[in-house]
Amino acid sequence: KNQVEQSPQSLIILEGKNCTLQCNYTVSPFSNLRWYKQDTGRGPVSLTIMTFSENTKSNGRYTATLDADTKQSSLHITASQLSDSASYICVVIPTSGTYKYIFGTGTRLKVLA
Amino acid sequence: GAGVSQTPSNKVTEKGKYVELRCDPISGHTALYWYRQSLGQGPEFLIYFQGTGAADDSGLPNDRFFAVRPEGSVSTLKIQRTERGDSAVYLCASSPNLGSSYNEQFFGPGTRLTVL
Repeated sequence: KNQVEQSPQSLIILEGKNCTLQCNYTVSPFSNLRWYKQDTGRGPVSLTIMTFSENTKSNGRYTATLDADTKQSSLHITASQLSDSASYICVVIPTSGTYKYIFGTGTRLKVLA
Repeated sequence: GAGVSQTPSNKVTEKGKYVELRCDPISGHTALYWYRQSLGQGPEFLIYFQGTGAADDSGLPNDRFFAVRPEGSVSTLKIQRTERGDSAVYLCASSPNLGSSYNEQFFGPGTRLTVL
């Protein structure tokens, strides 16, 4: 079983709509949780970073939430744009070995005009 | 450019051959990481360098995989006797240092390796 599970696996929405991506993790203890955006053929780029004590973090149209009790995080995208089409990956950084990122399998988002 | 660069962007090889994948980290970054990303999966940790030394190579799948960073900058991931299962995107990342757990890793575009 993966330590970081994401849902849905893929998602198609119309431009302008909102969407929410989910991340469930079992990594414990952890120091911080990040959401990355990965465009096709590119490396992942960081969107948000939250420590274990934070509940929410925003970056423009992206808002991430974290519930450390239930071990769940979400990424909410507001007013989607065509350029949001990408894979979104949840990453948990364990307290031990803080360089050893643990990646989820990602959610592939497609925004249609 | 100031980002992490990787060459080649694509590599096609035959089963049993030897390949080298190169990573140029961001200038001044002392930490360097290699990950492998199979189709439809998230990246998986392979090895981490701090300076010239491999501080953690626990993610290397077997002894066919080896990585070096002789001068503490450019790194080369070497795969011997390639197998079809080695086909994946190999990502490299770098970060300024390991002083903080919030140290962000900056990723390169990856090398897509296809073993026929």
